[in-house]
Amino acid sequence: NAGVTQTPKFRILKIGQSMTLQCAQDMNHNYMYWYRQDPGMGLKLIYYSVGAGITDKGEVPNGYNVSRSTTEDFPLRLELAAPSQTSVYFCASSYSKQGGAEQYFGPGTRLTVT
Amino acid sequence: AQSVSQHNHHVILSEAASLELGCNYSYGGTVNLFWYVQYPGQHLQLLLKYFSGDPLVKGIKGFEAEFIKSKFSFNLRKPSVQWSDTAEYFCAVNAVRGGGADGLTFGKGTHLIIQP
Repeated sequence: NAGVTQTPKFRILKIGQSMTLQCAQDMNHNYMYWYRQDPGMGLKLIYYSVGAGITDKGEVPNGYNVSRSTTEDFPLRLELAAPSQTSVYFCASSYSKQGGAEQYFGPGTRLTVT
Repeated sequence: AQSVSQHNHHVILSEAASLELGCNYSYGGTVNLFWYVQYPGQHLQLLLKYFSGDPLVKGIKGFEAEFIKSKFSFNLRKPSVQWSDTAEYFCAVNAVRGGGADGLTFGKGTHLIIQP
């Protein structure tokens, strides 16, 4: 299994541009998550999904959109990039929301908005 | 909403020293607790977790953590660190409640440097 994969690894955007961060998992997990990691700030939840067709906002959803058309894929969309969105983005998945289910993380996408 | 506080942002130790990283959370209900590690250039990996039972949990690479409910704490320990333990360590909590999936709430992380 490849686990959780993310593309691209790095990206530089100009202010106002848009892009989609891709995330895929091959573990048949229902639950998927997007986090952003800023220096010295830990990870913050952007959006999450409990299954295909179902998504919900996390702690910091403004400026982002998500969709979940399949179990495997959970792309994150930035419509109008802003410097405040410069961050490292991590996608994660888990098989359950309860019982201490581990979240498996992807390698991350480092995004710079200038 | 829950929150997580990690007391030490940067820790520098010599090899073979003992390690304890503090973690406190705020949430009145039942929680699952995790410690994740991020080695340089790598993604987050689970070190250990607590969700029920024995409050002393053992993880990979000789790490352990103790859940003390009365103190809302979940401190990470290792009796003798190695140079390869140099990494960023994150404490995280997941509130156990009905309804949505609830992502993890992370602390700000502790950057651990082990000197040879």
